[in-house]
Amino acid sequence: DTEVTQTPKHLVMGMTNKKSLKCEQHMGHRAMYWYKQKAKKPPELMFVYSYEKLSINESVPSRFSPECPNSSLLNLHLHALQPEDSALYLCASSQEPGAGGNTIYFGEGSWLTVV
Amino acid sequence: AQSVAQPEDQVNVAEGNPLTVKCTYSVSGNPYLFWYVQYPNRGLQFLLKYITGDNLVKGSYGFEAEFNKSQTSFHLKKPSALVSDSALYFCAVRGLNTGGFKTIFGAGTRLFVKA
Repeated sequence: DTEVTQTPKHLVMGMTNKKSLKCEQHMGHRAMYWYKQKAKKPPELMFVYSYEKLSINESVPSRFSPECPNSSLLNLHLHALQPEDSALYLCASSQEPGAGGNTIYFGEGSWLTVV
Repeated sequence: AQSVAQPEDQVNVAEGNPLTVKCTYSVSGNPYLFWYVQYPNRGLQFLLKYITGDNLVKGSYGFEAEFNKSQTSFHLKKPSALVSDSALYFCAVRGLNTGGFKTIFGAGTRLFVKA
């Protein structure tokens, strides 16, 4: 089974709120990712965690704060977001960070609306 | 740096006809190439990948893709389209960057299969 689970599926938050998106996988994957996707656009990489350590940060604003508590969990903490941050946030995982041919498996995403 | 291009925003095909969704890439080193499909309001689903070996790769739901090194292409094909194949298709290339492997997605091609 290849499954990445994301919660919540939908989130509406005000610009002063603090909220978190959560992601979980039990496939033993050691790389985990956050992507942002706007409607009808390709996913854009935000962060990569490799063996629970942040390895890639694509110059994402500090109002997005990732956290990898253990090898199965990935969080994205949100604070003081802007309306333009409204998007589908996709979590993904892959088996070995150092192998280019490994497939990345995506969750169903969390729809975020900032009001 | 790697890049991937999907030259068609949209492909229209009649049910039962063969379909092709085009993809060209640029990467230094060995190319790791992927196709994903995204249905409305869903995450990305993995279809197939090329790492090495046979140039013709077979994947899920009857899809296949042909790796052509000289033309730097990785076109997605299916011999007989179904209405249920209508979705957004992303080609992706994975290459080694500072910090690890990164997957870059093409802009996406919307496939419409008409009954």
